[in-house]
Amino acid sequence: KNEVEQSPQNLTAQEGEFITINCSYSVGISALHWLQQHPGGGIVSLFMLSSGKKKHGRLIATINIQEKHSSLHITASHPRDSAVYICAVNRGSQGNLIFGKGTKLSVKP
Amino acid sequence: GAGVSQSPSNKVTEKGKDVELRCDPISGHTALYWYRQRLGQGLEFLIYFQGNSAPDKSGLPSDRFSAERTGESVSTLTIQRTQQEDSAVYLCASSLGFLGLYEQYFGPGTRLTVT
Repeated sequence: KNEVEQSPQNLTAQEGEFITINCSYSVGISALHWLQQHPGGGIVSLFMLSSGKKKHGRLIATINIQEKHSSLHITASHPRDSAVYICAVNRGSQGNLIFGKGTKLSVKP
Repeated sequence: GAGVSQSPSNKVTEKGKDVELRCDPISGHTALYWYRQRLGQGLEFLIYFQGNSAPDKSGLPSDRFSAERTGESVSTLTIQRTQQEDSAVYLCASSLGFLGLYEQYFGPGTRLTVT
């Protein structure tokens, strides 16, 4: 069993829809990261969080440490949000990331 | 400022040859990480460096893989006697510090194809 599980694997939405991507993990962590990978392959860090909730523009990330679960929400989705969204964790005090398999999001106009 | 840079961006090599991949981290970042992403698969950790501490090599898949870092700057990932299963995008990332408390900044990757 993977230490970081994401769902869904693939997601297709219409422009304007509210989107939720889920991430569950089975290890103790010091931080959880949400990353975005565009079709060209570049990876951008969206959020790093260890508790509560963070918001950047239309993106919101939440984490529940007790339940070992995080969600990434996108409000008013747009075709430019189409990308692979990756959940990753720092296990314990380790610096390296352990990754989920990613969620491929396609937003149709 | 300048981000993480990697070279070459693409590398095609014949099976059995050695390759060197280079990473230039963001200036001042003490931690440097190597990951790889095989086609259609998730990212895998390979090795990381933190300051002058011994590197964590626990993710290296075989003894054909090695990496070095000069101080807190450039790192080189070397793959000896390349195999077809080594074909992947090799990504480098750096962060200001360690212990999972810092955001990681990724380079554009080196796409390695072993023929």
